[in-house]
Order: sequence, then C-alpha cells, then structure tokens
Amino acid sequence: NAGVMQNPRHLVRRRGQEARLRCSPMKGHSHVYWYRQLPEEGLKFMVYLQKENIIDESGMPKERFSAEFPKEGPSILRIQQVVRGDSAAYFCASSPGTGEVEQYFGPGTRLTVT
Amino acid sequence: AQSVTQPDIHITVSEGASLELRCNYSYGATPYLFWYVQSPGQGLQLLLKYFSGDTLVQGIKGFEAEFKRSQSSFNLRKPSVHWSDAAEYFCALGFGNEKLTFGTGTRLTIIP
Repeated sequence: NAGVMQNPRHLVRRRGQEARLRCSPMKGHSHVYWYRQLPEEGLKFMVYLQKENIIDESGMPKERFSAEFPKEGPSILRIQQVVRGDSAAYFCASSPGTGEVEQYFGPGTRLTVT
Repeated sequence: AQSVTQPDIHITVSEGASLELRCNYSYGATPYLFWYVQSPGQGLQLLLKYFSGDTLVQGIKGFEAEFKRSQSSFNLRKPSVHWSDAAEYFCALGFGNEKLTFGTGTRLTIIP
C-alpha cells in the first residue's frame, strides 16, 4: 500500500507566480489535511478536506490560498501570486476518517520563492 | 485554545544514554496525543499515539511515552539511544478527525 504521495517534492517560483501542490492520499483514505512548516518551526494546520468538501479552513490565509479535493484525482493546494514569505515546506496528511484517527504524512513539497 | 509546549528546543545525548523529551499540552478534555519524528528533509513518521486506556504506550524504534493527566504531560522516552535517533521530534494533539496541533519540536543530537 503506497503511502501519501506529494508532488512536486521541490518547487521554485518567482514572486507573483502561482504554485500548485498536489497530494494523493493513501488508498482508502478520504480525509486530507494540509500543514505548513516554516524554517525552524513546527507544523501549522492550514486546511482539512474530505472529498468535494472543505471541512475546516481555519488555518488558511484569507487571500491567495485555496485548496480542493475533487471527487477524482489528488488534493490541490494552490497559492496565487506567491511572495517570499510563502517559502516553506508544505505537508499533506491523510486519514481513513473512520476508526483510525492517525494522520499519515507525505514527504512534503518544499516551496522556494525567489 | 489548545496548545502543545515542548520546552526543550535542542537536546544532546551520548549514544547509549537514556532519553526523555518533554511535552505538555493544554486542552479542555483528554485529547489524542502523538509523537512524530522528522529526519532532515523528510516527512513525519508516527512513533506512537495515545487515545485512551493504558497510560504507558509503546511505539516503534524502542520508544515509549507516558500520559500523565495530572501534569498534562506526554513525555517521550527511550532507554538507550542510537546514532540513528538523531532527528527532530514533534509532539502533537488532536481529537477525532480534527486538525493536529503541533509543538515547536525538539532537535535531538547524538554524540559518540
């Protein structure tokens, strides 16, 4: 059973460009979470999604950031008009949503804004 | 508001020595508690978890943690560390399917 997949692993964007980060949850998992890790800091929650629904977006910046988890395909975290402060590691986690409540993390996408 | 505190930013331990990493939490009820380990440039791997029941939980790689309700703590321990244990360790809390709240992490260095 493959783990949580994230791509790309590294992404470089110039200021003002768009960044699209993809996350494929583990097979059978219907809950996806996105977290951001700034340098030398812990992980901060951004958004929690189930298929076609945003359950909790309390950690998402109000502007430029959006997330989706469509019926088919991976979850996407989209950052428009990136700024230097968006440089961070973005981690996706998934869980089955029933029974087990553990979140399994992907390897992360390291975004660098130049 | 819920929070997790890891008071030690950096700990250095000799190989073969015992280890204890501290974690304190603030939550309105008894949360689910987790310890994750992160090697440089890698994602997070779950070491162990506490949901309910026995307050001493065993995890992978020889780690264990003890939940103490009276102290709001969930400290991670290992009787004898190996050089491969050098990494960043994160304590986290959650409840049900809700988001996880992480501490700021403790960086563990192992010296020969």
